[in-house]
Amino acid sequence: EIVLTQSPATLSLSPGQRATLSCRASQIIMNNYLAWYQQKPGQAPRLLIFEASNRATGIPVRFSGSGSGTDFTLTISSLEPGDVAIYYCQQRSNWPWRFTFGPGTKVDI
Amino acid sequence: QEQLKESGPGLVKPSETLSLTCTVSGDSVRSSNYYWNWIRQPPGEGLEWVGFVSHTGSTTYNPSLRSRVTMSLDTSRDQFSLKLTSVTAADTAIYYCARGDSLSGMFDVWGQGSLVTVSS
Repeated sequence: EIVLTQSPATLSLSPGQRATLSCRASQIIMNNYLAWYQQKPGQAPRLLIFEASNRATGIPVRFSGSGSGTDFTLTISSLEPGDVAIYYCQQRSNWPWRFTFGPGTKVDI
Repeated sequence: QEQLKESGPGLVKPSETLSLTCTVSGDSVRSSNYYWNWIRQPPGEGLEWVGFVSHTGSTTYNPSLRSRVTMSLDTSRDQFSLKLTSVTAADTAIYYCARGDSLSGMFDVWGQGSLVTVSS
C-alpha cells in the first residue's frame, strides 16, 4: 500500500501570503495519479487538482499543483480568508486499484 | 449537474449491519467513465477509502475492511449501496459516496455525507 505523508501538519499564514503544502509518497505514483482536495468545516471534500497539476472545473488559478514520482506540492499563491480548510492529497495505485489519502494539512489564516 | 446523496440510518447498534444508499442524479451509474465509491471519515479524523463498485457491478474493497464490506449497484434506480457488518464504535464516521473518474483516479463529485453512529 502506498502511504502518503503531508507536511506541515498546520500552516498559519496571513491573507495575501503564499502557502506551500507538501505530499510525499512511499512509492512512485504511476502516471501522476495524485489529487488534492479542500475540506472546509462541516463540508464534504472538494476536488482542487487532479493528475498532480490539472485544476478541476471552477477552481481559481491561485491554486496550482506540481510534482511527480514521489514528491508533490499544492501552492496557493495568495491566501484568502475563505481558504481556511484542511487540504488532503490522494493517490490511486495500479490495478487492482487502491486509494489512499494523506493525513491532511490544516491551513489557518 | 451531477449530484450524489446518501441515505440511511444514523444510528446502528454494535455487532449489527450498517446500510447506506447513494442516489445519483444528473448522471448514470451505467456509465463506463466512472466508478462509485464509499469514503468515510471518523469525527475529527482523516479520510479512508472503503471501496467501489463499477458500472458492471464488480467491486474492489479496502483490504482492511474487505471481510465486512459488500457494495452493490441498482441501475434501475441509479443507486449504489454499502453494507458493513459487525460494526463497532470504530466504525462511527461520516460516510461519503463519491464518483470516481476511471482515467485519472480522482473523486470529482461527492455527496454531502451521512453521519453514522455506532452505539447501543
